[in-house]
Amino acid sequence: AQSVAQPEDQVNVAEGNPLTVKCTYSVSGNPYLFWYVQYPNRGLQFLLKYITGDNLVKGSYGFEAEFNKSQTSFHLKKPSALVSDSALYFCAVSPPRGGGNKLTFGTGTQLKVEL
Amino acid sequence: EAQVTQNPRYLITVTGKKLTVTCSQNMNHEYMSWYRQDPGLGLRQIYYSMNVEVTDKGDVPEGYKVSRKEKRNFPLILESPSPNQTSLYFCASSPYLVDPYNEQFFGPGTRLTVL
Repeated sequence: AQSVAQPEDQVNVAEGNPLTVKCTYSVSGNPYLFWYVQYPNRGLQFLLKYITGDNLVKGSYGFEAEFNKSQTSFHLKKPSALVSDSALYFCAVSPPRGGGNKLTFGTGTQLKVEL
Repeated sequence: EAQVTQNPRYLITVTGKKLTVTCSQNMNHEYMSWYRQDPGLGLRQIYYSMNVEVTDKGDVPEGYKVSRKEKRNFPLILESPSPNQTSLYFCASSPYLVDPYNEQFFGPGTRLTVL
């Protein structure tokens, strides 16, 4: 069975500082990995995904994520955080092609960016 | 505007009273899915549908039913709601046949309370 772990319930960072939101996964074969963001009282919005190729994936709003196969991680990063980045972030994993159609989410990490 | 809509947005009901939460998308997407979001548990998939008349169970299907008679609609049915189904529900869709690992588009959510 596939799973995703987001070890931090909350991450606090000062505006202008770099941020990292951690995600590790467990799945057989080569995974497909996603990051979504949820702003208050809204549905989830797609940020970026890793399917294959370059381990550094760039996405919306200046976010990027680094796929590390040996560490089974897909950490979300941003070089300079903004107060408007404050939101709930979810990592998700799909099994490799042919392995099913289920998307499994992590428990979420609340990001708080302060002035 | 391309979107996923859900109705109602808020619902308070009593144990055992059948209810339906509607979901509709206007993007001609093949794949649709229902999730529930609970604190500390993240998003868990209830049911998903690869296309019309094709549905399958997710991780937490007990107590729920779905149907996919039309491509655009994917209603979630609670035949006999119980308090443990109090949750925030999200419908999502994605274009599957082009690339099975496209990002999903989420509705605004339905907050259900079962007394």
